[in-house]
Amino acid sequence: GENVEQHPSTLSVQEGDSAVIKCTYSDSASNYFPWYKQELGKGPQLIIDIRSNVGEKKDQRIAVTLNKTAKHFSLHITETQPEDSAVYFCAAEKQFYFGTGTSLTVIP
Amino acid sequence: NAGVTQTPKFQVLKTGQSMTLQCAQDMNHEYMSWYRQDPGMGLRLIHYSVGAGITDQGEVPNGYNVSRSTTEDFPLRLLSAAPSQTSVYFCASSRRPGNNSPLHFGNGTRLTVT
Repeated sequence: GENVEQHPSTLSVQEGDSAVIKCTYSDSASNYFPWYKQELGKGPQLIIDIRSNVGEKKDQRIAVTLNKTAKHFSLHITETQPEDSAVYFCAAEKQFYFGTGTSLTVIP
Repeated sequence: NAGVTQTPKFQVLKTGQSMTLQCAQDMNHEYMSWYRQDPGMGLRLIHYSVGAGITDQGEVPNGYNVSRSTTEDFPLRLLSAAPSQTSVYFCASSRRPGNNSPLHFGNGTRLTVT
């Protein structure tokens, strides 16, 4: 929904490069910011989340950063691999609103 | 542990027909919700439930009804299908309402209304 904006809508990177996806939200009361990965024909799956009391969280090659003042958060994937190719969604505002998705393609 | 199970996987309806999309979870989650996914529009919340006997509307509730008679099941009803309801529907559940709690999604029902 328009309450959560996500960019870019498509992203192609070479294997081994980094990928960054950004989301902005409207409701300053939001305090939970998950990222989901959706593979073809399947439902979205949580890959990482962050709560408003921290600014950054890492899990191996995946990290999320949060700027509450600017109301935006970003997903960072380092050392991308072909299996990272999927559609990624952010969410905010109690997960009432999702971003419109980013189709990531990792080129071998 | 099956997680969230949606049936059917595919369905074709004619305009005006009714049907129920089934959703069941075996994780004893209190919170359940329905989203629709359309190209370029991401996931949009249709209805949600914070527990048995309690339902509420999301962003796009028109044309859909829900009920929550048990913790496990949260069916979505289309009373009179319209072509605008052609979409992929996802059911999700979480331990608590969507704030601070990851959603577990089913694999979706692809609905076509002709």
